[in-house]
Amino acid sequence: DIVVTQTPLSLSVTPGQPAAISCKSSQSLLHSDGKTYLYWYVQKAGQPPQLLIYEVSNRFSGVPDRFSGSGSGTDFTLKISRVEADDVGLYYCMQSIQRPFTFGPGTKVDIK
Amino acid sequence: EVQLVESGGGLVQPGGSLRLSCAASGFYFSGYFMTWARQAPGKGLEWVATIKADGSEKYYVDSVKGRFTISRDNAKNSLFLQMDSLRAEDTAAYYCVSGGARYFDYWGQGTLVTVSS
Repeated sequence: DIVVTQTPLSLSVTPGQPAAISCKSSQSLLHSDGKTYLYWYVQKAGQPPQLLIYEVSNRFSGVPDRFSGSGSGTDFTLKISRVEADDVGLYYCMQSIQRPFTFGPGTKVDIK
Repeated sequence: EVQLVESGGGLVQPGGSLRLSCAASGFYFSGYFMTWARQAPGKGLEWVATIKADGSEKYYVDSVKGRFTISRDNAKNSLFLQMDSLRAEDTAAYYCVSGGARYFDYWGQGTLVTVSS
């Protein structure tokens, strides 16, 4: 199975400041079809996960442009350009190049 | 608006069975892969099973193979998960998720399954 790791596991950010979460996979997520199957989700307290970013860098419908994703191969990053109070939650990356699809352990983001 | 509403969770003894349902609305259900994912209390996310749009292909995580069965009724916009031989480690919130072969977009609110004597 592909192992997905995230760093840091916890992040405390001052509102208006940037934040970055790293995600690494044990195998390349670049598929022969040319797509890279790395996704980002956020889970806010008491809610189900919500899709933020698909295929490394594409924002899902309704996601603010202060969220951006980048990376390639096995190394990926989610950036929040200016953190807001509403961004508090658990952020997960997920690989779907190979079943079983696996998630990272999650990064808890809170506000200072 | 996409809506996914799970039901059927509850308390069951080890070795018992439970059938989860998911009622979908707000999108063309028959055209999408559907997935069950789960989250143990205080833990991370785990993919459980996926079914192709027409039901012809099904995929499972190894830990549930032979015990869980995913199915769907496209005429009723419904997704199901039959869970047999339940174990304590199956205790989790189970989410119904829409998407494609390799992505999950919308998640339901989840239904809690507790396996305990």
